Amino acid sequence: DIQMTQSPSSLSASVGDRVTITCRASQSISIYLNWYQQKPGKAPNLLIYAASSLQSGVPSRFSGSGSGTDFTLTISSLQPEDFASYYCQQSNTTPFTFGPGTKVDIK
Amino acid sequence: QVQLVQSGSDLKKPGASVKLSCKASGYTFTSYAMSWVRQAPGQGLEWMGWINTNTGNPTFAQGFTGRFVFSLDTSVSTAYLQISSLKAEDTAVYYCARAYYSGSGSYFMFDYWGQGTLVTVSS
Repeated sequence: DIQMTQSPSSLSASVGDRVTITCRASQSISIYLNWYQQKPGKAPNLLIYAASSLQSGVPSRFSGSGSGTDFTLTISSLQPEDFASYYCQQSNTTPFTFGPGTKVDIK
Repeated sequence: QVQLVQSGSDLKKPGASVKLSCKASGYTFTSYAMSWVRQAPGQGLEWMGWINTNTGNPTFAQGFTGRFVFSLDTSVSTAYLQISSLKAEDTAVYYCARAYYSGSGSYFMFDYWGQGTLVTVSS
C-alpha cells in the first residue's frame, strides 16, 4: 500500500496568513493527489483534485502543486472559515490512502 | 443537485450486526462507484473500499475484509454497508462518498459525501 504523510500535523495561524501544508507519498503517484477540508462534525469537502485542479465552488485562495511524491496545499490568505483539518489522499492505486491530516487553528 | 443521505446513528452491543444505508439522488446512480470511509473518534480518515455500482463488485482495503459487506439496491439508488460481529473498535463515523472518475485524466476523486453515520459499539 502507498503510505501518505503530512506535515505539520497541526499549525496555528492568523487571519490573513499564508499557510502551506505538505503531503508526501511513499512512492510516485504522478499527479493523483486530492486535498479535502473537514470541519468538526462535518463530512470532508473536496478542495483540490489531480494535485492542482481547483474543485468547482472552492475559493481561489486555495491552490495545490506537486507531482511524483511531494505535494503542497497553499492557502494564500487564511480566512476565519478556513480553520479546519486538511487531508491529502492518493488516487493512484487502491487502497486510496489518506494522509493523517493537518489541523489548522487560530493563533 | 447531487445528494447522499445516510441513515441515522446507531448504538449496538458487541457481537451484533449493523447495516448502514446511503441513498443517492441528483445523478445516475450506476454511473459512479461508491466508496466507504471510516473515521474513528478524534482520528483521521480511512478508505474502507468501494463498490462498482454497475456490477456490484466490491473492493476492500486491508483491515476491512471478512466482517464488512458492501451491497446495492439500484432500484432505489442506495448503497449499503453491513458490519457483523461488531467490536468496540468499530465505533466510528462511517461516510459514503461518490467516486468521480475523469476518464480523460484517468483520476478519481470523492466529490460528494454523505453526512456520515455514527455507529457506537458498547455493552
